[in-house]
Amino acid sequence: DAGVIQSPRHEVTEMGQEVTLRCKPISGHNSLFWYRQTMMRGLELLIYFNNNVPIDDSGMPEDRFSAKMPNASFSTLKIQPSEPRDSAVYFCASSLSEKLFFGSGTQLSVL
Amino acid sequence: SQQGEEDPQALSIQEGENATMNCSYKTSINNLQWYRQNSGRGLVHLILIRSNEREKHSGRLRVTLDTSKKSSSLLITASRAADTASYFCATESRDDKIIFGKGTRLHILP
Repeated sequence: DAGVIQSPRHEVTEMGQEVTLRCKPISGHNSLFWYRQTMMRGLELLIYFNNNVPIDDSGMPEDRFSAKMPNASFSTLKIQPSEPRDSAVYFCASSLSEKLFFGSGTQLSVL
Repeated sequence: SQQGEEDPQALSIQEGENATMNCSYKTSINNLQWYRQNSGRGLVHLILIRSNEREKHSGRLRVTLDTSKKSSSLLITASRAADTASYFCATESRDDKIIFGKGTRLHILP
C-alpha cells in the first residue's frame, strides 16, 4: 500500500493567491482528518470526515478555508485568499479504526 | 484547541537510559494514543490504550493511563539514538475527534 499521499510536498505562494492542497487516503479507510502544524500552536485539527461527510469543521480558522471530500479516495483543502499567517505544514491522515495514518505533509509558505 | 498537554516539552538523556513523557487531558475519552514524529515527516502511530485499560506494553514502550487524573505516561526503555524524535499524545473523544498535544522533543545523547 502506498500510504496516504499528499500533494504538493511544498508550496510557495504570494499573499492573496488561492492554494489547494490534495490528499489521497489509504484505500478502504473511512475517516479522513486535516491537521495544521506550527511551532507556536502545535498540531491543530481543522476538519474531519467520516464516509466522505464532514463531521466537525470547528477547527477551520475562518471562511477563507474550505475542505471537500467528493469521493472516498480524494480530499482537498483550499485557502482563498491565502495570508502569511497560513504558513504551516498541513497534514492529512486517514483511518479505518482509531489509528491514524499520516501523509508526509505539505509545507506551505505564503509570502 | 489542544486537548492533551505533554510534559516535559523537551528531554535529553544518555543512550541506554529510560525516557518518560507525560500527557494530561481535559475531557472524557474513548482512547489515548501516542505518536512519534521525525523531523520533516508525518506522525507515526506507536501505541493505543483504551479508557478501560490501565497499562499496555509494546516492545520497549510502556504506556499507562489514569482516567481519574486524566493523565497518561509513555516510557521508552533502553533508549537508542534512533529514538530521537518528537512524541505526541492524542485523545479520541466520544465523537471520534482526535486531538493532539504539543509534543515532547526527545534527544538521545550518544
